[in-house]
Amino acid sequence: DAGITQSPRHKVTETGTPVTLRCHQTENHRYMYWYRQDPGHGLRLIHYSYGVKDTDKGEVSDGYSVSRSKTEDFLLTLESATSSQTSVYFCAISKERGGNNEQFFGPGTRLTVL
Amino acid sequence: QKEVEQNSGPLSVPEGAIASLNCTYSDRGSQSFFWYRQYSGKSPELIMFIYSNGDKEDGRFTAQLNKASQYVSLLIRDSQPSDSATYLCAPGNNRDDKIIFGKGTRLHILP
Repeated sequence: DAGITQSPRHKVTETGTPVTLRCHQTENHRYMYWYRQDPGHGLRLIHYSYGVKDTDKGEVSDGYSVSRSKTEDFLLTLESATSSQTSVYFCAISKERGGNNEQFFGPGTRLTVL
Repeated sequence: QKEVEQNSGPLSVPEGAIASLNCTYSDRGSQSFFWYRQYSGKSPELIMFIYSNGDKEDGRFTAQLNKASQYVSLLIRDSQPSDSATYLCAPGNNRDDKIIFGKGTRLHILP
């Protein structure tokens, strides 16, 4: 299995509080991605990174920010959590450009915003 | 806006039969396709990658690609209960750092 961990694995928080999810990889892959998965919507890309300090938006980036200060860590922050951000969040990594290469997924984080 | 369409299912198939999963896509620039399998409560994992027209076989799995029709399918022969999962289609390309996933088809193999 690709060395990807996510923390925390489960979190319950209240509306309006900031939340940070962490993705850590030991594969030294260049590309890292944050997705959310919701019933009826499938996997949707939030943000991704193509190198240290290099990030770009995905299709559902509003309300989220990311940072990547080291190759191995990619952080997803919800500045002020809302109930609509209740979801399962997956981190993924790819050695080369994710458009044409396999992505390896982390175990996921289940976030509940009350 | 690139679109990927999959029948959400559930698709119920008797054990031992052939399961057929379909995916259509709107981006004519897509040159390759990924099929990911996701068990309930788990993360997606790649099971097939195809980049040329025609069929690609891997064990009980066969991916079929028709670029002219913008259609890709996944056939699972001799379906097993362990094949019960959601299958996600994702067209790939050489232009982007990212891909768009279909919403997935939920497959249920009936023992």
